[in-house]
Amino acid sequence: QSALTQPASVSGSPGQSITISCTGTSSDVGGYNYVSWYQQHPGKAPKLMIYDVSKRPSGVSNRFSGSKSGNTASLTISGLQAEDEADYYCCSYAGSSTWVFGGGTKLTVL
Amino acid sequence: EVQLVESGGGLVQPGGSLRLSCAASGFTFSSYNMNWVRQAPGKGLEWVSYISSSSSTIYYADSVKGRFTISRDNAKNSLYLQMNSLRAEDTAVYYCAVEGVVIDYYMDVWGKGTTVTVSS
Repeated sequence: QSALTQPASVSGSPGQSITISCTGTSSDVGGYNYVSWYQQHPGKAPKLMIYDVSKRPSGVSNRFSGSKSGNTASLTISGLQAEDEADYYCCSYAGSSTWVFGGGTKLTVL
Repeated sequence: EVQLVESGGGLVQPGGSLRLSCAASGFTFSSYNMNWVRQAPGKGLEWVSYISSSSSTIYYADSVKGRFTISRDNAKNSLYLQMNSLRAEDTAVYYCAVEGVVIDYYMDVWGKGTTVTVSS
């Protein structure tokens, strides 16, 4: 149950694209296509942004996209907007109804 | 509207106990699996525990196994987390989250959290 590895911070200017990586193992990210991404604004509850590696819940902007290769998943945000500034967490199924999160990435919109 | 409201947090001394509650509304609570997730101050999210809809299956993170007990009362639409032998590292905001209300298998609706502080 070791946390997935994410960069501590990323930044980009409005309109640009950024990508956040999430590295796990064959027991979590690499073993299942149950990878999700959560957005968390300060003092708020996490919000599901991506599920099943690359699917978006209804209401989530198509500027958000996800992918996976081997043991590494990625979240890409295109056309950065000020309201995208938040913490982002990847999450993977780890078997037996357990989940493992990444350490989180702080996105700064310059 | 689907809603989860946590309560029961507070200040407790190391070695003490606390029972968290999560009141659910807006969905058929008895049909859904539930989780507790915590977030230490300035830190990331950590999955804590899972309970199936009928309470037949329960799992814990290694960090809380043997000290925390998850349970639910479907008649009261409530989820619980009994926390014993608390340690300073258990200090966190504790969230309850339901799986599959909107998206199958995923923790897709979360409460606003309740804060637990373990300190002497």
